[in-house]
Amino acid sequence: LAKTTQPISMDSYEGQEVNITCSHNNIATNDYITWYQQFPSQGPRFIIQGYKTKVTNEVASLFIPADRKSSTLSLPRVSLSDTAVYYCLVGAPMFSGGYNKLIFGAGTRLAVHP
Amino acid sequence: DVKVTQSSRYLVKRTGEKVFLECVQDMDHENMFWYRQDPGLGLRLIYFSYDVKMKEKGDIPEGYSVSREKKERFSLILESASTNQTSMYLCASSPGTGGTGELFFGEGSRLTVL
Repeated sequence: LAKTTQPISMDSYEGQEVNITCSHNNIATNDYITWYQQFPSQGPRFIIQGYKTKVTNEVASLFIPADRKSSTLSLPRVSLSDTAVYYCLVGAPMFSGGYNKLIFGAGTRLAVHP
Repeated sequence: DVKVTQSSRYLVKRTGEKVFLECVQDMDHENMFWYRQDPGLGLRLIYFSYDVKMKEKGDIPEGYSVSREKKERFSLILESASTNQTSMYLCASSPGTGGTGELFFGEGSRLTVL
């Protein structure tokens, strides 16, 4: 199972772009990189998933270099409501009858200040 | 929208009591999961199920059991609650095949064992 390493905490200010980097040196060929967001007293929520290069949706962008040993979640122009814990996970999507354990580490606690 | 509903947001139980945590999902998902979340440890998988009456142990199954008699319902059982089972419990579900393998979480059940 690919282990991930990400910063424990980050601080930012409203309107800034935030980049959270995750390293996953042992990523396997069929592994995807997935990020979740968790607000206090709620379950995690899927943000974005990618395999290689760049993925963008309405919430974030995910940059993955060619060697796939790291990835960067980019949050454009953060607001106070982006204060949350962000988890980087590496693994293959689960299919019926099979399972790839996704490990949630401690995540990165992002604090956005006024 | 997918909805994962956990029966109780907050529970207080005594050591030795039998505890049932119920989870219901309304999107006909094949896969269901129980995690516990503790400060600094992230989310840890207790049990998961990929079909009715099927269950698999996760990383920390000791002291827990599960039941999945119907596709939409996944129950976590603490046969004899202990103080070290005080935690936030999160239920999740995901579709069985293809896609991103996105996990849909409930809001959590915070259990205190006295």
